[in-house]
Formats: sequence, C-alpha cells, structure tokens
Amino acid sequence: GQNIDQPTEMTATEGAIVQINCTYQTSGFNGLFWYQQHAGEAPTFLSYNVLDGLEEKGRFSSFLSRSKGYSYLLLKELQMKDSASYLCAVPDNYGQNFVFGPGTRLSVLP
Amino acid sequence: DADVTQTPRNRITKTGKRIMLECSQTKGHDRMYWYRQDPGLGLRLIYYSFDVKDINKGEISDGYSVSRQAQAKFSLSLESAIPNQTALYFCATSEGAKNIQYFGAGTRLSVL
Repeated sequence: GQNIDQPTEMTATEGAIVQINCTYQTSGFNGLFWYQQHAGEAPTFLSYNVLDGLEEKGRFSSFLSRSKGYSYLLLKELQMKDSASYLCAVPDNYGQNFVFGPGTRLSVLP
Repeated sequence: DADVTQTPRNRITKTGKRIMLECSQTKGHDRMYWYRQDPGLGLRLIYYSFDVKDINKGEISDGYSVSRQAQAKFSLSLESAIPNQTALYFCATSEGAKNIQYFGAGTRLSVL
C-alpha cells in the first residue's frame, strides 16, 4: 500500500521562500503530484514528477528523489494568495487511483 | 462555466435519509472519481469509474453507492445517511497517461 507524510502546518513571510516536504512509501512508483487547495475550494494541479530532479514552473518548483521516497515543493517570492493547503499525492501500483497526503497548510504573513 | 460541476454545493440532511450528490463534466474525460475530505485526513477515494460500464470501490466505499449514467455524469448516493458522513465531497475527472485530476468545487454535506 501507500503511505504519505507531510507537515501539518507551516508559516512563512511574504516575499520569502518556503519548502514543503513530502515523504512517501509505495510498493510501486508511477509519479508524484502536488496540488494546491485554498480553503473551501477544489484542489488544483500544480506539478507532476516521475523522474528524479527538479521541475521548475514559474515561482513553484518540485523536486523528487525516488530512492529516498522524498519530494518537496518549493515556493519562491511568496505572495499572500499562496496561503493554502498543499497536497502531495501518489498513484497506486496500477497508476489508476491516488493516495493523497493529509496536506500542509501554509500561512503567508505580511 | 465550470468543467466539473457538482450539485448541490451545500446540503443538510437528517440521519437515515437517502441523498444523492451529482457530478457532471464537460471535459470529455472517461475517468471519474468521488472523494471525501475530512480535516486532518486528506482526500479519500470512495468510488471510481473508468467508463460507463466500469464501477470500482475505493478505500472507503461502505455506506455509499454510485451510478455512472453517462460519460459525463457520475452520481454518489448515501443510502442511509449517518452523522460521520458529514464531510466535504469532491468529484474529479482525469485522462491521459499522467492521470492529472480535475476537481469540482465540492459539496459540503452535513448529516444531523
């Protein structure tokens, strides 16, 4: 089966950089996803990593190490609108369904 | 218009009542999902469907049933609602090798 761990909450300052970590255990690997979810709203797709290394997309970057079962989401030049929960998710062994982590609630302070 | 539409957005019901949550999509995706979200537990999969004739149980299907009426419609039913089914429910669709999920706006359900 799959198991995912993320910190529950993080706080950072506007304009700063924050790294949100995710560790996972899975018997097979078919990629790792990050989603952003503002309070009371739907999750929206941020990034997908299937190979080791860093994927950069504007202010957001995502890193993956398959050997360590580890990923992080890096948010640069934080803005108030980045206050949200960030969900890490991995597909199951068949790549069909997903197991989501509990999410990390990020608060960006002025 | 939203690509994945859930109705109703909010619902309050009583214990023992049967209720249906509806999901429709205009994305043309074959795969559809129902999740529930509880504080501190993240999203958990209830049921999923990869086409009209395919229905599968997810992690927490007990107490729920689904119907895939068409490629674009996937409904979730609570046969006899109980208070611990109070949660935020999301419908999602996906397609392609990456299987990126696209979520509806959610239905907030309260069972009294």
